[in-house]
Amino acid sequence: TQLLEQSPQFLSIQEGENLTVYCNSSSVFSSLQWYRQEPGEGPVLLVTVVTGGEVKKLKRLTFQFGDARKDSSLHITAAQPGDTGLYLCASHGSSNTGKLIFGQGTTLQVKP
Amino acid sequence: EAGVAQSPRYKIIEKRQSVAFWCNPISGHATLYWYQQILGQGPKLLIQFQNNGVVDDSQLPKDRFSAERLKGVDSTLKIQPAKLEDSAVYLCASSLNRGTGELFFGEGSRLTVL
Repeated sequence: TQLLEQSPQFLSIQEGENLTVYCNSSSVFSSLQWYRQEPGEGPVLLVTVVTGGEVKKLKRLTFQFGDARKDSSLHITAAQPGDTGLYLCASHGSSNTGKLIFGQGTTLQVKP
Repeated sequence: EAGVAQSPRYKIIEKRQSVAFWCNPISGHATLYWYQQILGQGPKLLIQFQNNGVVDDSQLPKDRFSAERLKGVDSTLKIQPAKLEDSAVYLCASSLNRGTGELFFGEGSRLTVL
């Protein structure tokens, strides 16, 4: 079973700062998804990366997929209080069942 | 388009009691998932249905948890008897098909076992 390791587990920063969250695996990802979850709600998909070396941007969020497809990062520029939440990486791994496995998440708190 | 509906939103029970959660997925979504999420952690898959058949239930504690998806639409997750460690949020998600697609989640059902 593929395991996804996220770091850091918790991040507390001031508004305007930049940050990077990492997701790593010992196995190759078939594809990787990043979700964001706000308190009291379910996770919501931010992006899916598929190709090694791929970079995707979503406003102030930049997602990168490692060349070997074993790691990914999420960079947030000029963080805002509205970015506060739990950031989760997830992968379908090598299973043909479509089973989606999540990392343990990074809790981000952005203070005004 | 209506999202994934779950009920109840909150439930408090005593250990050894039973509880049931209901999920109505997005119309037309063939795949339905139940996840357990402990506070501050990532969701853990309990069971996955494709239409009304079980695709994966390898992490479902079958001595106390059961789930069904009659007619391939709504689903119910039951816990009987509940233990203290079952306190968590139970998330239901659906996707158009199994594979690499996006999962759409409900708001979850928060269970507290006293």
